[in-house]
Amino acid sequence: DAKTTQPNSMESNEEEPVHLPCNHSTISGTDYIHWYRQLPSQGPEYVIHGLTSNVNNRMASLAIAEDRKSSTLILHRATLRDAAVYYCTQTGNQFYFGTGTSLTVIP
Amino acid sequence: DAGVIQSPRHEVTEMGQEVTLRCKPISGHDYLFWYRQTMMRGLELLIYFNNNVPIDDSGMPEDRFSAKMPNASFSTLKIQPSEPRDSAVYFCASSLWGRGYEQYFGPGTRLTVT
Repeated sequence: DAKTTQPNSMESNEEEPVHLPCNHSTISGTDYIHWYRQLPSQGPEYVIHGLTSNVNNRMASLAIAEDRKSSTLILHRATLRDAAVYYCTQTGNQFYFGTGTSLTVIP
Repeated sequence: DAGVIQSPRHEVTEMGQEVTLRCKPISGHDYLFWYRQTMMRGLELLIYFNNNVPIDDSGMPEDRFSAKMPNASFSTLKIQPSEPRDSAVYFCASSLWGRGYEQYFGPGTRLTVT
């Protein structure tokens, strides 16, 4: 089974950087790593994805370990609007989201 | 683009009744996914289609659940008969090519079975 593991919850102070970790112990060579977030009462929304190299976009940065067994989503300056559940996935034949990491941002 | 459209947004039904959830994917997307979300189990993939063909339905919990995609712009998820343990939020998502491309989720249908 293509599964990822994440901490259940994390806290961050507003305007501080946040590093959200994910373990991809069963990842295969062709699996992409995706990150999504889910705001309260909404469907998940795409944040970022990558294969081997670190990636940046307007929302966040994605750091991928050299062995690809772990990845880190980096929010450079957390805002109150970033409070959400963050999911990491690895794509194979099935998209496993799990229960994600609930991020609390403290004003 | 209107994004992924789901209907109804809320459904309340009695145990034993048939429930049909509907989804219109983003035009041009060739993958469609149905998910179920509960507090206990989180977000679970139920089934996905590629070019209207079911590819993996191993997440469908039992025979009471069925999904169809008669054309590229419409899919249904049916539960018959419904049970209280089916109460959840059901999401539809679509993507282009599937593997390396992001999924776009609909707003979800909140199903309550009493």
